[in-house]
Amino acid sequence: DVKVTQSSRYLVKRTGEKVFLECVQDMDHENMFWYRQDPGLGLRLIYFSYDVKMKEKGDIPEGYSVSREKKERFSLILESASTNQTSMYLCASRGQGNTDTQYFGPGTRLTVL
Amino acid sequence: SQKIEQNSEALNIQEGKTATLTCNYTNYSPAYLQWYRQDPGRGPVFLLLIRENEKEKRKERLKVTFDTTLKQSLFHITASQPADSATYLCALSYSSASKIIFGSGTRLSIRP
Repeated sequence: DVKVTQSSRYLVKRTGEKVFLECVQDMDHENMFWYRQDPGLGLRLIYFSYDVKMKEKGDIPEGYSVSREKKERFSLILESASTNQTSMYLCASRGQGNTDTQYFGPGTRLTVL
Repeated sequence: SQKIEQNSEALNIQEGKTATLTCNYTNYSPAYLQWYRQDPGRGPVFLLLIRENEKEKRKERLKVTFDTTLKQSLFHITASQPADSATYLCALSYSSASKIIFGSGTRLSIRP
């Protein structure tokens, strides 16, 4: 059974803290993605990676960075968390084929106080 | 840039009826169109994919159509059940791109 796991389901941080969200997939997928999801705004792509050490900005990269040192792991970093980064964060992975399904993790609900 | 519109934020229908959700897009047609289901507090789960040269795809009680002239996909759930209540997302993918573009979703509620 395919799996995408995220390090935390719920996280509470303070403004200004550095936050790491980890994502691991066990499907040997090349592509990995980080989204945030807010009511009424849908899924918005923050960053994605199509290979180890490769990354591309999505639609809303400001305030975030990413790291992909190993194929199975894709990390999202909030360098200095702010209250407007309170959101649900979803990681996903997908194979190389254009018809490949995108598999999502369970999500991390981050609250920044 | 490409925009996706899902017909309404919420749809309420009676159990047993057919639910029909709409996904419209602007600009150029995608190579593939996908539908996902998302339950509260969980990540989306893939349901169906349809290619641009396919008019219709079925899977059990689900049916998806794809009209590149109208730039529209319809997602049908026949004989709907309360367990079908969820948010449904449509997503577009293009043969030359790694990323998929998601709509904001339609929240479907099936009342007994």
